[in-house]
Amino acid sequence: GAVVSQHPSRVICKSGTSVKIECRSLDFQATTMFWYRQFPKKSLMLMATSNEGSKATYEQGVEKDKFLINHASLTLSTLTVTSAHPEDSSFYICSAREGGTGGRQPQHFGDGTRLSIL
Amino acid sequence: AQSVAQPEDQVNVAEGNPLTVKCTYSVSGNPYLFWYVQYPNRGLQFLLKYITGDNLVKGSYGFEAEFNKSQTSFHLKKPSALVSDSALYFCAVRDGGGNNRKLIWGLGTSLAVNP
Repeated sequence: GAVVSQHPSRVICKSGTSVKIECRSLDFQATTMFWYRQFPKKSLMLMATSNEGSKATYEQGVEKDKFLINHASLTLSTLTVTSAHPEDSSFYICSAREGGTGGRQPQHFGDGTRLSIL
Repeated sequence: AQSVAQPEDQVNVAEGNPLTVKCTYSVSGNPYLFWYVQYPNRGLQFLLKYITGDNLVKGSYGFEAEFNKSQTSFHLKKPSALVSDSALYFCAVRDGGGNNRKLIWGLGTSLAVNP
C-alpha cells in the first residue's frame, strides 16, 4: 500500500518551456503533499507544502510564481516549472501523507522527475 | 529550533558485518523520527519510524533503530549488511507537539557495503 506515482520520470526541454509534473497517491487520500528539490549528492530541499483545496505554503527563497503548485484533489498535486531555465535543472520529488494522523504517518515518495533544461 | 544531524557523510562496511548509520536530533517537544533510504535516481523509501512506545523499532529489510532520549539519537542498525543495502540514507524528525507539519531532514549518509 501507500503508493505514490510521479510523472514524468524524465524531461529534457529547451529553455523557456514550462514543465508540469504530476504526483498522484494511488491507494490513499493525501490531504498534504510535499514538493522537494534534490541537488546531486545533496539532501532534500523542501520547496512547498500543499494541502488539498488551499494555496500551497512555499519555503523561504522559493519563487511561487516560478513554481506553481496545484492540489486540486485528495489524490493529485501538480508542480509547474514556468519558463524553465538551465538553473532549474534538478531532481524534483513529491511526497504525500495521509491526513488526520497528526503527522505520525510517514511521507510516501514518488520516484522523482529528472528535469534537464538545455 | 528543530534540527537533525547525520555526522557521517559516508559509511563503509564489509558484507556480513553489522552496520550503523548515526542520527542525532533536536526538537522542543516529543520527537517523531523517521528513516528513509534512497537508491540512485529513485525517490525515498520509508524504512521505519519512532513515535512512542518501545525504544527499539524494527523496520523494512531487516533494519532497526534505537531511540535514545538522553542522547537524543536515533541510530539506524542492521546486524548483517548486504551489498544491496548500498544507498543513501536519510534521517528526519518532526516535533510531535508542534503545529509545523513538515519534516526536518538530515543531509544524508551514503552507505557502501563492500563484497
